[in-house]
Order: sequence, then C-alpha cells, then structure tokens
Amino acid sequence: ETGVTQSPTHLIKTRGQQVTLRCSSQSGHNTVSWYQQALGQGPQFIFQYYREEENGRGNFPPRFSGLQFPNYSSELNVNALELDDSALYLCASSLEAPKGGEKLFFGSGTQLSVL
Amino acid sequence: AQSVSQHNHHVILSEAASLELGCNYSYGGTVNLFWYVQYPGQHLQLLLKYFSGDPLVKGIKGFEAEFIKSKFSFNLRKPSVQWSDTAEYFCAVNAQGNNRLAFGKGNQVVVIP
Repeated sequence: ETGVTQSPTHLIKTRGQQVTLRCSSQSGHNTVSWYQQALGQGPQFIFQYYREEENGRGNFPPRFSGLQFPNYSSELNVNALELDDSALYLCASSLEAPKGGEKLFFGSGTQLSVL
Repeated sequence: AQSVSQHNHHVILSEAASLELGCNYSYGGTVNLFWYVQYPGQHLQLLLKYFSGDPLVKGIKGFEAEFIKSKFSFNLRKPSVQWSDTAEYFCAVNAQGNNRLAFGKGNQVVVIP
C-alpha cells in the first residue's frame, strides 16, 4: 500500500460535462502530481502542486485545473469534457520538495469514461 | 522536453528465462532515470532508480538496470523471471531539477509457468 487513495475508482460522464477527481496523500507529503494514462500509453504529466501552489504543468489545456489543500488532499478538475479525456487519472505524492528524482507514491487511479 | 521510448510492447516468456527491456530517452542534459512496475490490479510502484554514481543499479525482486550515457539508454534486466513478474513495466525520466516524469509506453510482460 502506498497510502495514496483516489476517488472515485470509476466514473462515467458525457461530453461537455465537468468532473472532479480526488486524491488523499500520505500525511506529510507536500507534493502531489497528476498524470493521465490513456489506454496503451504511459502516464502523461498534467501538473504538480507543492504546498498548495501549482509547480509545473504539462501540455494540457486550461480546462484541466487543480487544487491542493492543507490536509494533504487534492483535486483534479476537468471542464468541458471531451471524448479524448477518457483515461486513467493517477495521483502521485512525494515527501520531499520537488527537486526532481524523489520517489513517487502512486494511487490506484480513477478510470474516467466520457461518452 | 524529455521523451522515452520502450520497444517490444508485449513480451511473453517462460519461467526461468532471462528478461531484458530496452529504454531509450531523448534529453541532452543530466537526468534521473526510473523503472516503475504495475502488477495486475495494483498501483504503480518504483522498481529502481538511477541518480548518479555506479551506472549499474539494483532494485527489488532481483531486477537491475544499466545506465549507458553514450547510448541514452537505461535497460532493465532480470536473469531468471518468475510467474509473479507478470506485470507492466514503465521506464521514466526527468531532468535533474525538473519535477515532471516522462514515461514510456510500457512493456506488458507475461511469464508463463
């Protein structure tokens, strides 16, 4: 067990809707990253939060947004869902400040299907 | 931006066979390198990592990987696989000082008893 939990495990939405995915990190983990894993692909970096501030963003449009809370929980919000947003969304937390190279603890992911 | 290539997406082999999974990355600077594994029904977990020093790194469950800087490679090896090694294996890289991991597409490995 990694101590990182994500909810819900599965979600079905229709195109144009909005979705919020949640992640609970291990206590003391100040950094949380979100990844999108499409079928047959490796995870792709969406963004990272460190001490409640965005700390780096991948090649994803602004309709992907996030929040990190003081209680080590975080959210990924996606507006105006598109069919291509169907994927497994992974949350990963780490203990140290994001210098690069720190060990990531992954959750089991939320499988999002957009119809 | 960094990118990672993994070949032979599907690998099927028998128990006791040797396994080698190739990983090549593209980035001109100093990098940190990782192999992650995802067993069926489980979360991604770190198998091993390379930051600096000895280019041959040993991880959990008898896996090792060798960093060859001149070839931009970080291949994963295990001399004798077991059925329990059936999993998907991902190579990942980030630039030192950078906070984002770039993953390869993964290798689906099936070990037949």
